Amino acid sequence: EAAVTQSPRNKVAVTGGKVTLSCNQTNNHNNMYWYRQDTGHGLRLIHYSYGAGSTEKGDIPDGYKASRPSQENFSLILELATPSQTSVYFCASGDAGQGFTEVFFGKGTRLTVV
Amino acid sequence: GEQVEQRPPHLSVREGDSAVITCTYTDPNSYYFFWYKQEPGASLQLLMKVFSSTEINEGQGFTVLLNKKDKRLSLNLTAAHPGDSAAYFCAVSADTGANTGKLTFGHGTILRVHP
Repeated sequence: EAAVTQSPRNKVAVTGGKVTLSCNQTNNHNNMYWYRQDTGHGLRLIHYSYGAGSTEKGDIPDGYKASRPSQENFSLILELATPSQTSVYFCASGDAGQGFTEVFFGKGTRLTVV
Repeated sequence: GEQVEQRPPHLSVREGDSAVITCTYTDPNSYYFFWYKQEPGASLQLLMKVFSSTEINEGQGFTVLLNKKDKRLSLNLTAAHPGDSAAYFCAVSADTGANTGKLTFGHGTILRVHP
């Protein structure tokens, strides 16, 4: 079974503070993704990566950075957290190399910025 | 970029009735289509993936229809039961050759099946 593990699962942060959300996958997938989920918006793509050392902007990258130091790990960084970034964040991994198969999601991180 | 519209946002049906959720998309290059189920507080569970070449796909208790001409994807739960109560999301990915695997999601449908 494909495994994507996110940490922390819940986080309360202060406005203006730095937040790092971590994601680890044991699927040996090349691609990894960060989405946020808000009521009425479904999931929206923030950043993604093709492999170690690569990060690409998704549809809503403003206010976020990403880091892919290894095949297994992909982090989402909020340098200056704002209340509008309160959301549920999902990490995912997938391998679209030989035709698109499936994207596997983690269990999500609930972030509250106060 | 791709736009995906999902309807209805909320759906309430009686046990045993059918429930239909529909998504329309804009990118004619869309090639991969997915339906996900999400129970409260949980992650997304893949129900079915559909490729552009197949118009009808059947799963356990549901059917997915793809109309490429109208750019419409639908999920039909044929005899809903309370365990089907959840949020459902469609997702679309274009085959651009770049193999990004990026998904564009619909806004979701909250389905409630009551006895």
